[in-house]
Amino acid sequence: KAGVTQTPRYLIKTRGQQVTLSCSPISGHRSVSWYQQTPGQGLQFLFEYFSETQRNKGNFPGRFSGRQFSNSRSEMNVSTLELGDSALYLCASMVSPNTGELFFGEGSRLTVL
Amino acid sequence: GQQVMQIPQYQHVQEGEDFTTYCNSSTTLSNIQWYKQRPGGHPVFLIQLVKSGEVKKQKRLTFQFGEAKKNSSLHITATQTTDVGTYFCAGGMNTGFQKLVFGTGTRLLVSP
Repeated sequence: KAGVTQTPRYLIKTRGQQVTLSCSPISGHRSVSWYQQTPGQGLQFLFEYFSETQRNKGNFPGRFSGRQFSNSRSEMNVSTLELGDSALYLCASMVSPNTGELFFGEGSRLTVL
Repeated sequence: GQQVMQIPQYQHVQEGEDFTTYCNSSTTLSNIQWYKQRPGGHPVFLIQLVKSGEVKKQKRLTFQFGEAKKNSSLHITATQTTDVGTYFCAGGMNTGFQKLVFGTGTRLLVSP
């Protein structure tokens, strides 16, 4: 069974640009969560989607947005990139909310210059 | 806001020594999960504890959930170089829509 797939794995952007990251959960998993990981801040929760609906949102500015499609695949978008947005963005899936462990993808490493 | 703190931030041990990381929450948790992230890798689930005072063991790893469900610990007996990585706890918050709040992580380095 394939794991959580995130694309792209690495990308470099400049300030002011926008970026879209994609996440395909494990087959049968309908809940997708996004996390930002930086050396200084650890793992910060961005948002969680289930059945195409955002269930939870972390304390991030409106420049960070996401969505989930009917096949459970999810995308997150960051607009007007800032240097501080450089981070590893991790997607995690589970069968449905509150069912236990999160299965993480390898992450998308974003560098903003 | 809801916070989960972990100590220590970093620990360097000799192979064979024991290691413990502690996790503390400002609020009562519904459950606690532990993850391990190897250098350059992604977090991988280790275990979930749900009951007050629960203790679970996985080979050399012992996990505890406090009586008040506000703290937890992970103890590794006789560390090995394969234990290298960052260990995160993640507390389940009863916020209506439950979400997990990750701890700050403890980075473990094991020297042979």
